[in-house]
Amino acid sequence: EDQVTQSPEALRLQEGESSSLNCSYTVSGLRGLFWYRQDPGKGPEFLFTLYSAGEEKEKERLKATLTKKESFLHITAPKPEDSATYLCAVLLNTGFQKLVFGTGTRLLVSP
Amino acid sequence: DAGITQSPRYKITETGRQVTLMCHQTWSHSYMFWYRQDLGHGLRLIYYSAAADITDKGEVPDGYVVSRSKTENFPLTLESATRSQTSVYFCASSEPNSPLHFGNGTRLTVT
Repeated sequence: EDQVTQSPEALRLQEGESSSLNCSYTVSGLRGLFWYRQDPGKGPEFLFTLYSAGEEKEKERLKATLTKKESFLHITAPKPEDSATYLCAVLLNTGFQKLVFGTGTRLLVSP
Repeated sequence: DAGITQSPRYKITETGRQVTLMCHQTWSHSYMFWYRQDLGHGLRLIYYSAAADITDKGEVPDGYVVSRSKTENFPLTLESATRSQTSVYFCASSEPNSPLHFGNGTRLTVT
C-alpha cells in the first residue's frame, strides 16, 4: 500500500531556531514530490516540486531536499509568519495524476 | 484573477438533503479534483476528472456525484447528505505531472 508519513505531527520553535520537517514515503513508484503550506481556513498553497533523489529547491527560509525514501523541509531562522501546517504529497508513477498526501506537520513559531 | 473559486464557503444542511458544491477554475487545467479534509485523515480524494466528460472515483466516492460538462467547472453533489459527510471540501486543478492548485475550501456541516 502506498503510504506517506510526516513527522513530527507538531513542532514548536522559537523565532530564529532552525529545524527540519520529515516526509517519508513507501510507494510503488514516485514521479514527483510536492510540498505545500496550509494556513487555517485556507487551501494548501504550493511551495516546491522535487522529481529526483539529490534534488534541492529553495525559497526564502525554506529548503526542500529529496532522497530515495524521504524528503526534508529545512526551515532556517524561522519567523512567526512561517507558522502553518506543512503538507507533503507524492505523485505516483501511474497512468493518472494520483497523489498520496501525508497528514502534515503543524509548525508554530513563537516570537 | 486567475485561480480556483469554490462556493459556498460555508454551508449548513440537514441529513437527507441534496447539496451541491461548486468549483470553477480559470487556468484551463485538464485535471480537476475533489478532496475532503478531516482531522486525523488528511486529504482524501473523492473524485477526479482528467478532462471534460471524463470522471473517475477516488478513495472515498460513496454518496457523492460529480459532472464535468465544461473544462472550467467541476461541481460535487451530495445526493442525500449524512453526518459523516461533515467536512472541509477542497477543489483543485492541475496539468499532468504538475502540482495541484487548491481553492480555499467549503466547510460543510450536516445536522
